[in-house]
Amino acid sequence: GQSLEQPSEVTAVEGAIVQINCTYQTSGFYGLSWYQQHDGGAPTFLSYNALDGLEETGRFSSFLSRSDSYGYLLLQELQMKDSASYFCAVRDHTGRRALTFGSGTRLQVQP
Amino acid sequence: ETGVTQSPTHLIKTRGQQVTLRCSSQSGHNTVSWYQQALGQGPQFIFQYYREEENGRGNFPPRFSGLQFPNYSSELNVNALELDDSALYLCASSLGAESQETQYFGPGTRLLVL
Repeated sequence: GQSLEQPSEVTAVEGAIVQINCTYQTSGFYGLSWYQQHDGGAPTFLSYNALDGLEETGRFSSFLSRSDSYGYLLLQELQMKDSASYFCAVRDHTGRRALTFGSGTRLQVQP
Repeated sequence: ETGVTQSPTHLIKTRGQQVTLRCSSQSGHNTVSWYQQALGQGPQFIFQYYREEENGRGNFPPRFSGLQFPNYSSELNVNALELDDSALYLCASSLGAESQETQYFGPGTRLLVL
């Protein structure tokens, strides 16, 4: 089977940097994805790491260590609009494009 | 380019009833996946359709069934509704040949079973 663990809640202030960690167990690994979901909204794709290292996209960066089965999402220069739930996800072990999601980390950005 | 759309947005049913949810995939996407998201949880994979064929299924009972049409739109049917079926149902489309793990989600249908 597959499982992902991430913190349930994180609180930070505007302008700060926050890191959301994700550890995973999976029988077949293709890569780690991150999705953002605002309350009442649809999950939207943020980033994907298939190889070790850091991927940067604007204020958001994502890191992967395959040997440690670990990744994180780094959000810089936090804005109020970043308040949302963040999910890490891995592809189903059979290789289908279906994703297995973690339970999500609720990020609250305070002024 | 039209994004993923779902209908209806909200639905209230009673236990034992049947429901059909609909999804139109993003233009050019031939793969549709359905997820159930309970409050405070991550989406859980129900099943996936690729070119009108079921391409995998999660741990959901047979009363959850689906279809994909030639235009790649899709339906999710749930029979004999139970209270625990109350959730947000999301569909996501992707392009079969896509190299990244990107799925494009619709806004979801919020189902309440009373």
